[in-house]
Parts: sequence; structure tokens; C-alpha cells
Amino acid sequence: EAAVTQSPRNKVAVTGGKVTLSCNQTNNHNNMYWYRQDTGHGLRLIHYSYGAGSTEKGDIPDGYKASRPSQENFSLILELATPSQTSVYFCASGDRGSAETLYFGSGTRLTVL
Amino acid sequence: GDKVKQSPSALSLQEGTNSALRCNFSIAATTVQWFLQNPRGSLINLFYLVPGTKENGRLKSTFNSKESYSTLHIRDAQLEDSGTYFCAAEAAGNTRKLIFGLGTTLQVQP
Repeated sequence: EAAVTQSPRNKVAVTGGKVTLSCNQTNNHNNMYWYRQDTGHGLRLIHYSYGAGSTEKGDIPDGYKASRPSQENFSLILELATPSQTSVYFCASGDRGSAETLYFGSGTRLTVL
Repeated sequence: GDKVKQSPSALSLQEGTNSALRCNFSIAATTVQWFLQNPRGSLINLFYLVPGTKENGRLKSTFNSKESYSTLHIRDAQLEDSGTYFCAAEAAGNTRKLIFGLGTTLQVQP
């Protein structure tokens, strides 16, 4: 069973502060993704990665950076957090070789005050 | 939600009954995935589909790429089937990015 672990589970940040959300997967998947989930918008792709050292912009990348220092780890960075970034963030991993079934982490609930 | 439209948006079923959820695509979808978000918020992959049909226990899903839709059939609904069902499509030429629908929230009543 694929394992994707996100941390923290909950985070409260102040406007203008820096926030880093972490994701770790233990399945040697090449591809990793960051989504945010908001009522009325469903899941929207922020950034994704094809492997260590690569990051690509998703559909809503503004205000976010991503970092993939290794196969296992993929971080989402909010350099200057804003209240509009209050959301639930999901990390996912997948491997094209196995038909790209996506496995999701449990989510991080971020509140920016 | 415009490119992947799910219907109905909400549904209530009696335990033991059957139902079908639908996704319509306004993009040329090459693959489709169905997920269940359970009441705890976890997203669980149910199916990965190329055009065709797959079955897993009481769940069956079909993806028709020519007519741009996918369905998820739930047979003999159980209380633990409650949650929000999402479909997501990969667009032709846009590999490795999924476009999600807004979900169907299902409540199974005893």
C-alpha cells in the first residue's frame, strides 16, 4: 500500500509569515503533486514534480513555491502567507510505470490569520 | 469544475439500494480516476480507467472517451460508502495533470 505522509496536520500562520508544508512518500514514485481543496473549487493543482530536482507550475502556482530535494520529499512553500491561502492542502504521489494511480496524503489544514 | 462536471452534486441513499454517479467532460480525456473522500477527509483511489470498464466489489466504473463521460455505479450501498466522490480526468497531451470535478456528496441512510 502506498504511503504518503504530510506534516503538519494543522497549521495556523500569520499574514506575511513563511509557511512550509512537507510531504514524504516511501514508494519510490517519480511524480509528486500539491493540491489545495476549497469549497466550490474542488481540488486544484498548485505545483508538481517529475523527480528529484524538478518542479513544475500547476494551474494555480501564484504565491507558492515548491522544492523536490529528493525522490521521497516534496515541499510547498508560502514565502508571504495571505488569508486567501487558508485551505486544506493535499500532497499526492504517482508513478507513470504503474498507470499513474494517485495516492494522497491525509491533508494539512492551513489557517492564515 | 467547468471541464469536468459531476452529477448529481448530492445524493441520499437507503442502505442496500443502488445508484450511479456521472462525470461529463468538455475536454478530450485520455484517462479517468475516481476517488472517495471519507468523512475524515482522506482521499482514497477507487479506480484508474482507460476507456473501458472496471469492477471492484460493489463498485463498477465505465469510461467512454468517445462520448466524453464516466460513470461510477454503487451496488448494495453500505453506510461506509458515505463521503464525497470525485472524478478526475487527464487531458490529451497534458500528461500527469488531473482535472478534478467538484464532487458528489453521498449519504447512505440506515
